[in-house]
Amino acid sequence: SAVISQKPSRDICQRGTSLTIQCQVDSQVTMMFWYRQQPGQSLTLIATANQGSEATYESGFVIDKFPISRPNLTFSTLTVSNMSPEDSSIYLCSVEDLGAAQETQYFGPGTRLLVL
Amino acid sequence: GESVGLHLPTLSVQEGDNSIINCAYSNSASDYFIWYKQESGKGPQFIIDIRSNMDKRQGQRVTVLLNKTVKHLSLQIAATQPGDSAVYFCAENGGAGSYQLTFGKGTKLSVIP
Repeated sequence: SAVISQKPSRDICQRGTSLTIQCQVDSQVTMMFWYRQQPGQSLTLIATANQGSEATYESGFVIDKFPISRPNLTFSTLTVSNMSPEDSSIYLCSVEDLGAAQETQYFGPGTRLLVL
Repeated sequence: GESVGLHLPTLSVQEGDNSIINCAYSNSASDYFIWYKQESGKGPQFIIDIRSNMDKRQGQRVTVLLNKTVKHLSLQIAATQPGDSAVYFCAENGGAGSYQLTFGKGTKLSVIP
């Protein structure tokens, strides 16, 4: 499976500021996704990061709040904009290679964000 | 919308016993299911998957059972070890051609030494 890294691994931010999270994969993958996991809860899909085009957002998530970039097949960023304490969560990227035998999503280690 | 849910939010088992974690899904169009293990401070780790044309799949110490009639999925862990302590999530794909996963609420497994 692909090796996925995320930066930063954790951060503490002040409300009103923005944080950009990076996701790097060690091989080219077709699909990249961003999830949010609020404390003690399950994973919720934020958006699908499309290479070369705008991300596809799920209901309840908007581009102005969570702008996403995907400049190539191994890298994506998620920005959490104008943060509030409600944005305190773990943010996870995942990848899926449609060319692989299994259509499985593999996850990065996550970025733990605390907003004060 | 449709969702995936779990019967038991927490499960405590004695080391060496078998563990069974259950999951109910409601999207009958889903044709691919995955179990993930998430240890504290880490991202979800793939354990095992199953397609809807199967009712059982075995891995190393783990077995996934799928009952499409009642829309039920289970993960069986044989000879549970302390290292199995984690939160386990089931996920479904929502149907053929869908690449987006919907996750269940998670079950916390605690192994008693």
